[in-house]
Amino acid sequence: GAVVSQHPSWVICKSGTSVKIECRSLDFQATTMFWYRQFPKQSLMLMATSNEGSKATYEQGVEKDKFLINHASLTLSTLTVTSAHPEDSSFYICSAHRPGNSYEQYFGPGTRLTVT
Amino acid sequence: EDQVTQSPEALRLQEGESSSLNCSYTVSGLRGLFWYRQDPGKGPEFLFTLYSAGEEKEKERLKATLTKKESFLHITAPKPEDSATYLCAVQARNDYKLSFGAGTTVTVRA
Repeated sequence: GAVVSQHPSWVICKSGTSVKIECRSLDFQATTMFWYRQFPKQSLMLMATSNEGSKATYEQGVEKDKFLINHASLTLSTLTVTSAHPEDSSFYICSAHRPGNSYEQYFGPGTRLTVT
Repeated sequence: EDQVTQSPEALRLQEGESSSLNCSYTVSGLRGLFWYRQDPGKGPEFLFTLYSAGEEKEKERLKATLTKKESFLHITAPKPEDSATYLCAVQARNDYKLSFGAGTTVTVRA
């Protein structure tokens, strides 16, 4: 299967600071990547769709100025949580759509963000 | 709006005790239905994609089936290593994004 990596795997930051999470597709080029958030015992909630070379599309209720997404290359998308607060603590997971005949998305291992 | 409902919420099985997980969905034009496995603290691992009613796919002890309204994931003679949360998601024809169900957490006891 396709490989998607995330960095860091976990991060602790202080309230009011910003943190950047990277998502890379290692063995294929991904024109579209997705960012999800998962709270404990809950399912994945889509935050935004990231398209290479264009602005991200955010889901309703997701603040675009707080969650900055950049998809600068075909293998890298970044999510920056700006002015983080404790309620932003969550498990952030990215996925990448592998172009071709199928429509599968391959997920990264996730990043655990804790805001103190 | 796409909706995905999974049942049961949790399933406890004895090793070797076969069972099925249900995923009911409503979507405006289904492109595909996806099954993923998620272990605690990790990202989802792709299992299957089903595209049309009547389609079936198998992988080791897992078999996924699809009708026009629901999908089933059958676990045959499960082992403890099959313990995980199984997620179902749908993708509409006009979009690439996935809408996930809440998942079924399966625990297999030796």
